[in-house]
Amino acid sequence: GAVVSQHPSRVICKSGTSVKIECRSLDFQATTMFWYRQFPKQSLMLMATSNEGSKATYEQGVEKDKFLINHASLTLSTLTVTSAHPEDSSFYICSARDGSPRGEAFFGQGTRLTVV
Amino acid sequence: RKEVEQDPGPFNVPEGATVAFNCTYSNSASQSFFWYRQDCRKEPKLLMSVYSSGNEDGRFTAQLNRASQYISLLIRDSKLSDSATYLCVVNRPPARFGAGTRLTVKP
Repeated sequence: GAVVSQHPSRVICKSGTSVKIECRSLDFQATTMFWYRQFPKQSLMLMATSNEGSKATYEQGVEKDKFLINHASLTLSTLTVTSAHPEDSSFYICSARDGSPRGEAFFGQGTRLTVV
Repeated sequence: RKEVEQDPGPFNVPEGATVAFNCTYSNSASQSFFWYRQDCRKEPKLLMSVYSSGNEDGRFTAQLNRASQYISLLIRDSKLSDSATYLCVVNRPPARFGAGTRLTVKP
């Protein structure tokens, strides 16, 4: 199946700093990528839909100025958590569709963010 | 109401047991359906797609009922390695996840 690479897999940062997470589709072009967040013992919650060359669409309750998404190419989307706080500590996962009619989603490995 | 609702679980079953998970979705415009498996602290991985005609992959059988907006997953002859959280995924798109059902298979 298609491969999506997410980096870094784990990051610890201080409160107030910014963290960038990269999501790359390695063997297909992804016009749309999705960013999810998962808190412990909860499901994956969609944060935003990232479209190549245009602004991301954010889900209700997700601050677009705090979670900056850039999808500059067909193979790369980035999520930047700005001015991170301890409550932003979570598991962030990206996914990308390969354009097939069924729209199967392929996931990155996830990034565990800890803000101290 | 959540867009995707799953059995809360957890399910604790002995090896060899048959276990069934259910999932309902609220948006009738949803286009495709999947079951994903997620192991602890790992990313979700596709287990199988779900079709109206039903589909089977070894010990796993998935079924979709569009009229009732209902999806099911049946695991037969469960193995220890089946222990994981099973996520019902409804793709409108974008994909929306159920809360997951935790399965523990015990010796």
